[in-house]
Amino acid sequence: DAGVIQSPRHEVTEMGQEVTLRCKPISGHDYLFWYRQTMMRGLELLIYFNNNVPIDDSGMPEDRFSAKMPNASFSTLKIQPSEPRDSAVYFCASIPRLGAGVSEQFFGPGTRLTVL
Amino acid sequence: GDSVTQMEGPVTLSEEAFLTINCTYTATGYPSLFWYVQYPGEGLQLLLKATKADDKGSNKGFEATYRKETTSFHLEKGSVQVSDSAVYFCALGRYNTDKLIFGTGTRLQVFP
Repeated sequence: DAGVIQSPRHEVTEMGQEVTLRCKPISGHDYLFWYRQTMMRGLELLIYFNNNVPIDDSGMPEDRFSAKMPNASFSTLKIQPSEPRDSAVYFCASIPRLGAGVSEQFFGPGTRLTVL
Repeated sequence: GDSVTQMEGPVTLSEEAFLTINCTYTATGYPSLFWYVQYPGEGLQLLLKATKADDKGSNKGFEATYRKETTSFHLEKGSVQVSDSAVYFCALGRYNTDKLIFGTGTRLQVFP
């Protein structure tokens, strides 16, 4: 299995531009999480989906951020318009259907976003 | 609500030194506890876990014991290597829930 795939790995853009980050979860996993990692705030959960439906978006910082999961194998996180304070590493993670015990989260390699 | 507190880093050690990274948690009931590791330029990956009190998780020479009496899950390794240099995250999760609560992470730097 290829694991969780994220693209692009690096993105540099100018303030005000739209940014779209992409994630392909592990096949068969039912949950998908988007996280943001910064030095100041650590690892923050932004939003997560179950079976393509957003379950909790309380971590999304503001209306400039939106996330979609049109099917089980693809999700996007969009920032419009982008601002320098959005510069961070964005991770996607997935887990299989919950069964006995707490599932391990499988993380992608992340997208490093720099907004100038 | 549930929370996880980790010791501040960075932790700087010489190769073959003993490692302890402290983690304490606040939660009701009986959560599961995890240590994740993030190597430079990579995503997080599970290092070890424990699902009930007094369980010991272990992997790659690392160990952590779930201590309910002290609400702790400290990470230890008897002899660190340069290749262990990474950021370590303590996390808490509950049976049949879908979110993990992560600590702030502790950076470990091991020098030859």
